[in-house]
Amino acid sequence: SQTIHQWPATLVQPVGSPLSLECTVEGTSNPNLYWYRQAAGRGLQLLFYSVGIGQISSEVPQNLSASRPQDRQFILSSKKLLLSDSGFYLCAWGSGSPSGAHTDTQYFGPGTRLTVL
Amino acid sequence: GQSLEQPSEVTAVEGAIVQINCTYQTSGFYGLSWYQQHDGGAPTFLSYNALDGLEETGRFSSFLSRSDSYGYLLLQELQMKDSASYFCAARDDKLIFGTGTRLQVFP
Repeated sequence: SQTIHQWPATLVQPVGSPLSLECTVEGTSNPNLYWYRQAAGRGLQLLFYSVGIGQISSEVPQNLSASRPQDRQFILSSKKLLLSDSGFYLCAWGSGSPSGAHTDTQYFGPGTRLTVL
Repeated sequence: GQSLEQPSEVTAVEGAIVQINCTYQTSGFYGLSWYQQHDGGAPTFLSYNALDGLEETGRFSSFLSRSDSYGYLLLQELQMKDSASYFCAARDDKLIFGTGTRLQVFP
């Protein structure tokens, strides 16, 4: 069965510090991978998605970046965190095509709760 | 722009039936998904409608009307554990999530 891991579970960082969040998937190959952010009491905002190694699509221009160095590894980074970067960061993998008629059901990791002070 | 509208909060009692509505406005549309998220947890997939009509999965059913750009999630025989946030998500070029409906079930 497929499993998705994220770490760390919680993180408190000062403004201006760097960030690296890691996500790995087990039990599937060539998954579509996604990074979402959820502000407290709000919906999910798609940040990045990737259909393959080295292929990153950015949805929201900001001070975050993403990389996919391996098939089942997806990393979210920042060089300098802002207060507005606080939130619940969720990694997800999808089984279908990221576009088109197929459902592309998304399976979410446990998330990282980031607080920037 | 692209948006999905849901009520922010719904309350009900155990054993009741509740319907959570979702209207969407997207440039393209392939289908409507529903996700459940308990406090502090990750969203989990509930259902997906690509065609008009009702899809039933146990106590949960989901409906889609493409002509009305409208769908709903129907929860029957409510239980305390159903207290959670429910998100509709429209399949356009990518998955676009609504802002969520917080369901509170009371004894």
